Amino acid sequence: GENVEQHPSTLSVQEGDSAVIKCTYSDSASNYFPWYKQELGKRPQLIIDIRSNVGEKKDQRIAVTLNKTAKHFSLHITETQPEDSAVYFCAASKRGSGNTPLVFGKGTRLSVIA
Amino acid sequence: KAGVTQTPRYLIKTRGQQVTLSCSPISGHRSVSWYQQTPGQGLQFLFEYFSETQRNKGNFPGRFSGRQFSNSRSEMNVSTLELGDSALYLCASSLSDRGFNEQFFGPGTRLTVL
Repeated sequence: GENVEQHPSTLSVQEGDSAVIKCTYSDSASNYFPWYKQELGKRPQLIIDIRSNVGEKKDQRIAVTLNKTAKHFSLHITETQPEDSAVYFCAASKRGSGNTPLVFGKGTRLSVIA
Repeated sequence: KAGVTQTPRYLIKTRGQQVTLSCSPISGHRSVSWYQQTPGQGLQFLFEYFSETQRNKGNFPGRFSGRQFSNSRSEMNVSTLELGDSALYLCASSLSDRGFNEQFFGPGTRLTVL
């Protein structure tokens, strides 16, 4: 089955700096890679996702890149703000015929220091 | 549109007891997935239901079971509770079990086993 590794487990950055979180997956059949943000005491919320037919996707200060050959994908947050402080989870699954469940990484706790 | 709701929000049980958790998906969503969230382990997939049928099952013992009703509401049951079952149980709904549909999470039920 799919296995997702996420690094680092904790990350501290100064406000305004960039943050990068990396994930690797094991199943080459996976084609859907969402990222979720979970603030303290809140539910996880999707912030961005990418499909395997795309190498990069951006949404304002957030971008995700995917390297299918190396089986890794990364979340990039630029110009970090205190409200970016949260736990971020990457996930992978196969969508289409024969769907597989989302398999999550263990999360990265991001702290943005003002 | 109302979000995913879960009841109860908090539960305290003792070892050996059983518990039933409930999840009401977003109106029109027919797929419900359940996850166990513990510190350091991230979100671990329990099971997924679509149209009252279990589509996928995670690697949890048979003490964990679930079902889905015709109105898409879902319940999960844990029998013979163990201390290690203490966790936040999250459900997530999506339009379908096919395609690249976003999963929307509920607020979770925090289960404490004493």
